Amino acid sequence: AQSVTQPDIHITVSEGASLELRCNYSYGATPYLFWYVQSPGQGLQLLLKYFSGDTLVQGIKGFEAEFKRSQSSFNLRKPSVHWSDAAEYFCAVPSNDYKLSFGAGTTVTVRA
Amino acid sequence: GAVVSQHPSRVICKSGTSVKIECRSLDFQATTMFWYRQFPKQSLMLMATSNEGSKATYEQGVEKDKFLINHASLTLSTLTVTSAHPEDSSFYICSADRDGHEKLFFGSGTQLSVL
Repeated sequence: AQSVTQPDIHITVSEGASLELRCNYSYGATPYLFWYVQSPGQGLQLLLKYFSGDTLVQGIKGFEAEFKRSQSSFNLRKPSVHWSDAAEYFCAVPSNDYKLSFGAGTTVTVRA
Repeated sequence: GAVVSQHPSRVICKSGTSVKIECRSLDFQATTMFWYRQFPKQSLMLMATSNEGSKATYEQGVEKDKFLINHASLTLSTLTVTSAHPEDSSFYICSADRDGHEKLFFGSGTQLSVL
């Protein structure tokens, strides 16, 4: 079954600095890939998704992600983080029957 | 955008009681809804797939008699935690499917605390 791995459990970044969150997928064909953000005690919000075509995907809140088949990666980036970006971020991939399988998540802390 | 409403956002109950959580799609019809469970600092684990008008499909290891799911209409799915115990304390999140996994919208979650 398809799965995703998020190697970084916790990342701390200074406000205004760039951010990159890693996601590696395990799937033979081109997968559908998603990035979600979860604020404390809240549900999930879709940041962006990749289905096909352009490998650089633009999302909401200034986030982007790049699909790299050679590295089996779909890393999330933001050039300049804001304090409001502190949250939990999940990479996800649909399973065979279109249910989503989530990575373990990466907690982002933003310091002033 | 599409909105999924989940209620209540937080519930505290005594051990042995049952708790019902509602998940509503407010501006679209959802033939399929999903229920997830999330432990602190962990990822979301799919519990079951709720299908309108039919029985829910449970993931391996999820007790169907413990977690009752009803999807009586195209806009409402309910999860009832029966005879709740402290180990059932968790964050429960629903999602509603509009047009396949490309259009999956999440509720804001329910924090269940069983004393």
